[in-house]
Amino acid sequence: AQSVTQPDIHITVSEGASLELRCNYSYGATPYLFWYVQSPGQGLQLLLKYFSGDTLVQGIKGFEAEFKRSQSSFNLRKPSVHWSDAAEYFCAGTTNTGNQFYFGTGTSLTVIP
Amino acid sequence: DAMVIQNPRYQVTQFGKPVTLSCSQTLNHNVMYWYQQKSSQAPKLLFHYYDKDFNNEADTPDNFQSRRPNTSFCFLDIRSPGLGDAAMYLCATSRKGETQYFGPGTRLLVL
Repeated sequence: AQSVTQPDIHITVSEGASLELRCNYSYGATPYLFWYVQSPGQGLQLLLKYFSGDTLVQGIKGFEAEFKRSQSSFNLRKPSVHWSDAAEYFCAGTTNTGNQFYFGTGTSLTVIP
Repeated sequence: DAMVIQNPRYQVTQFGKPVTLSCSQTLNHNVMYWYQQKSSQAPKLLFHYYDKDFNNEADTPDNFQSRRPNTSFCFLDIRSPGLGDAAMYLCATSRKGETQYFGPGTRLLVL
């Protein structure tokens, strides 16, 4: 079955520290993968996406993610976290053959001074 | 510049009183989705329209219905809201198999 998994429910990092949020996928075909961010009481904002090509994708707000087929992963990274990055982060996936969008359960990020 | 618009942002209704949430888009996408999101959970897909074709998720309660009168608009009707239906409702749009763009959501409170 197609799925996206986020192993970490909650992560705390210090401001200025590097960040990596994990995402694993299970798809038969090459998936389209996304990272969204959600601030409290808000909708989901797209950070970045991977469809094909270069496996390192750049997104908004200084985020990047790397697609690793061998590890079935699409981890989100940021070299230096800002307090405003505190939010809920969702990894999601789909394929070019369907409309079904699979969300991970989300990772809540806390940034401490 | 808003691309996916949801109205209202906050909706209060009474237990059992029908309520309609609305979503509109300026992207001319052929797919529109409705998600329910409860606190600290991932969005849960209720149904989606691919053009005029309605696709209901197997576990979506009958209490939830949807209408899509044209490409731009999609409505979520909750026929008899229960306390358990209090949640954030998110609308999203996409072209088939492509990025989903989300609206800001409507937070529903059931009294």
